[in-house]
Amino acid sequence: DTAVSQTPKYLVTQMGNDKSIKCEQNLGHDTMYWYKQDSKKFLKIMFSYNNKELIINETVPNRFSPKSPDKAHLNLHINSLELGDSAVYFCASSHIQGGETQYFGPGTRLLVL
Amino acid sequence: SQKIEQNSEALNIQEGKTATLTCNYTNYSPAYLQWYRQDPGRGPVFLLLIRENEKEKRKERLKVTFDTTLKQSLFHITASQPADSATYLCALAGNTGGFKTIFGAGTRLFVKA
Repeated sequence: DTAVSQTPKYLVTQMGNDKSIKCEQNLGHDTMYWYKQDSKKFLKIMFSYNNKELIINETVPNRFSPKSPDKAHLNLHINSLELGDSAVYFCASSHIQGGETQYFGPGTRLLVL
Repeated sequence: SQKIEQNSEALNIQEGKTATLTCNYTNYSPAYLQWYRQDPGRGPVFLLLIRENEKEKRKERLKVTFDTTLKQSLFHITASQPADSATYLCALAGNTGGFKTIFGAGTRLFVKA
């Protein structure tokens, strides 16, 4: 059973397009996260939701909009994609906010052409 | 600003030896420190957590030390195996910013048979 799943795994698109990435966790966790891992491999937090409530919102362009329909799902919508958005996006979850162990999804590799 | 530094160069060791990875941080007072393993094309996987009031933690062939005075953690893999080859990420979380987790860029470990 996959604990944290993301779709799609690969996403290749043109600049200016709008795309969404979906994440689901079946661990019963309260908190979910979106991270971006760039070409230098730094894993940087973008957003954190606890029980569908936005907790952490890092300095991310407002073209990025997370949505949590329920505590098992956290989606990421990106408007007007730019070249610099190319990266691997990871979803993660933890038992509670500030939870120590985070469980990561397999990542979505986004390439903007 | 908060900064985490890990060995930027890859670490190459012979099978059976002990691998030691370093994580240094500045401008931060973490409540706990974690180590994750990341294989190519996959999401990070949690390995160990050590709290600010702990000096050492062990799990099977893994050992982590945490020196809050030196602001440093050492991660040891004893009797290393080729299967231990991966990137190892250090991560800190503190009481500020809603326990936002900050990741280092990771150290790539290669264990040769």
